[in-house]
Amino acid sequence: QVQLVESGGGVVQPGRSLRLSCAASGFSFSNYGMHWVRQAPGKGLEWVSLISYDGSQKYYAASVKGRFTISRDNSKNTLYLQMNSLRTEDTAVYYCAKVEVAYDCWGQGTLVTVSS
Amino acid sequence: DIVMTQSPDSLAVSLGERATINCKSSQSILYSSNNKNYLSWYQQKPGQPPKLLIYWASTREFGVPDRFSGSGSGTDFTLTISSLQAEDVAVYYCQQYYSTPYTFGQGTKLDIK
Repeated sequence: QVQLVESGGGVVQPGRSLRLSCAASGFSFSNYGMHWVRQAPGKGLEWVSLISYDGSQKYYAASVKGRFTISRDNSKNTLYLQMNSLRTEDTAVYYCAKVEVAYDCWGQGTLVTVSS
Repeated sequence: DIVMTQSPDSLAVSLGERATINCKSSQSILYSSNNKNYLSWYQQKPGQPPKLLIYWASTREFGVPDRFSGSGSGTDFTLTISSLQAEDVAVYYCQQYYSTPYTFGQGTKLDIK
């Protein structure tokens, strides 16, 4: 079945970096755009970034532009989010999501905590 | 950026009764070339990722019970649960995918009265 599994979250100090991964299975990964969406503790959903099926197009939320980089390796069926210069306000559960029309499949999320 | 505003923020409905959640976009999300509204609805239960209910404003995702329906066009949209079941207790979000950033509404918490 279609499955997305995020990893790479953890506790990190402000200003440091972290790389999240999202391993995809059960579908033709290279045919679909992929997104990252985050949710701060007790808060709503915030769109973070998207990448087209072939990696040629990338878009970012203003809150992360210049600090986060989305990428994918279609040979490994894996999506990435490189997060640099982390801030306390980046603390959230980060979800990867597959896009057919809307987000028809989500991972379980990985928690990133930015704290000194 | 397109701002999505949901109302109400919270809602309590009796079992078997109708629940209605509204979502308003700050600009039209109807794409004239294909006459489609770029709006989706998600349900999120505690400790779980969101689940897609509705896309193109009114198309139900495969496997979603038919008590869930979406309507509206342009800037005003509605998610209706025709007969509330206990398992429908959740937070509901609308999202526009008309243009980046793909903004969400703030969420509506639905409880049983």
